[in-house]
Amino acid sequence: DQQVKQNSPSLSVQEGRISILNCDYTNSMFDYFLWYKKYPAEGPTFLISISSIKDKNEDGRFTVFLNKSAKHLSLHIVPSQPGDSAVYFCALQYNQGGKLIFGQGTELSVKP
Amino acid sequence: EPEVTQTPSHQVTQMGQEVILRCVPISNHLYFYWYRQILGQKVEFLVSFYNNEISEKSEIFDDRFSVERPDGSNFTLKIRSTKLEDSAMYFCASGPPRVEDEQFFGPGTRLTVL
Repeated sequence: DQQVKQNSPSLSVQEGRISILNCDYTNSMFDYFLWYKKYPAEGPTFLISISSIKDKNEDGRFTVFLNKSAKHLSLHIVPSQPGDSAVYFCALQYNQGGKLIFGQGTELSVKP
Repeated sequence: EPEVTQTPSHQVTQMGQEVILRCVPISNHLYFYWYRQILGQKVEFLVSFYNNEISEKSEIFDDRFSVERPDGSNFTLKIRSTKLEDSAMYFCASGPPRVEDEQFFGPGTRLTVL
């Protein structure tokens, strides 16, 4: 199942700099796009989401961008902090309340 | 802050046995889900449950799997005749009445089938 792809398994960033995590998808029928963060031995924790009618949503240090024509989603974290080190998953939905289809995840490491 | 809880945190079973994984969703939530993550792989959807019935299930959710909400607070996943390939981390999630909100995940149960 390659509907949702995160092509970078890992990313290392210096504290204070920008982290950019990317996610590509194949099906234009997806309507809702979410980012989850996961620490070891914990469940995924919701970060931020965007619907297909928008191209940007911002919440504090986190901004999600959606490019529907390119079928591309990105998460920007500015400034990055060591506590942001975790695995980040994009998760897509066809409809609100429906199943989440996850990417493979990108492990972010923020160095002090 | 309300949270989804899951028990046990780790379950070890012999192949062919039955296991029940338990979840307590957030109290006012109406939508319930099970996902699993095999080591090194993606988080995969198993089943969604709303209004006391399954609303959607994946190919993984074959007739060995069942879900139940027996008492209005617990949400269980039963796996009969377990196989080695059922070994995974199983996550329960719940969603609030306002469906545009996100799904809240529990900490997971690690199932090991020997």
